[in-house]
Amino acid sequence: QQPVQSPQAVILREGEDAVINCSSSKALYSVHWYRQKHGEAPVFLMILLKGGEQKGHEKISASFNEKKQQSSLYLTASQLSYSGTYFCGTDRANDYKLSFGAGTTVTVRA
Amino acid sequence: DSGVTQTPKHLITATGQRVTLRCSPRSGDLSVYWYQQSLDQGLQFLIQYYNGEERAKGNILERFSAQQFPDLHSELNLSSLELGDSALYFCASNAGTPTDTQYFGPGTRLTVL
Repeated sequence: QQPVQSPQAVILREGEDAVINCSSSKALYSVHWYRQKHGEAPVFLMILLKGGEQKGHEKISASFNEKKQQSSLYLTASQLSYSGTYFCGTDRANDYKLSFGAGTTVTVRA
Repeated sequence: DSGVTQTPKHLITATGQRVTLRCSPRSGDLSVYWYQQSLDQGLQFLIQYYNGEERAKGNILERFSAQQFPDLHSELNLSSLELGDSALYFCASNAGTPTDTQYFGPGTRLTVL
């Protein structure tokens, strides 16, 4: 079952902040965040695990609310390079099968 | 550059045909994942192999099959192609545990005419 991402799209000016949400109706074991630029492969940003462990880049922050089965990705002081489509992938059973949301398109303008 | 290679980059073929997509994982990675990305379905997990063995299956059609060879490269075979199979096909690799980062290859763009 695919997670639901919101918003679908967001336009920012450089330096502004944004939050992208990813929600599931089922209990999750982990949430994976990727960014994809047009015509390129998805690039790993962060993994959040049940229990609070996180693995990812220092400049990207995210949270995982296990009670609500929701994860949020925080884009802080956005830069032009942050533009792209952000996907969350959810793993319900620690079993290798990621289900991806439809994506959130972020456009950062100068 | 993720270290995952995929060939070919682009493939144009006709309905009813069969094609093979190839993936070489990053050095040291034992696990390969295949994904399909289309405009209407988004990014969909197809299948995963670990050290030559199938480990997990997602939304993979019966017309599609995959294998991982002893040298760890993998091939995705798509047969009896339909217009709806047109998509980007990505291969990703990692060490093999579910919480390891998956590194994606550049993808193969398949167009079925």
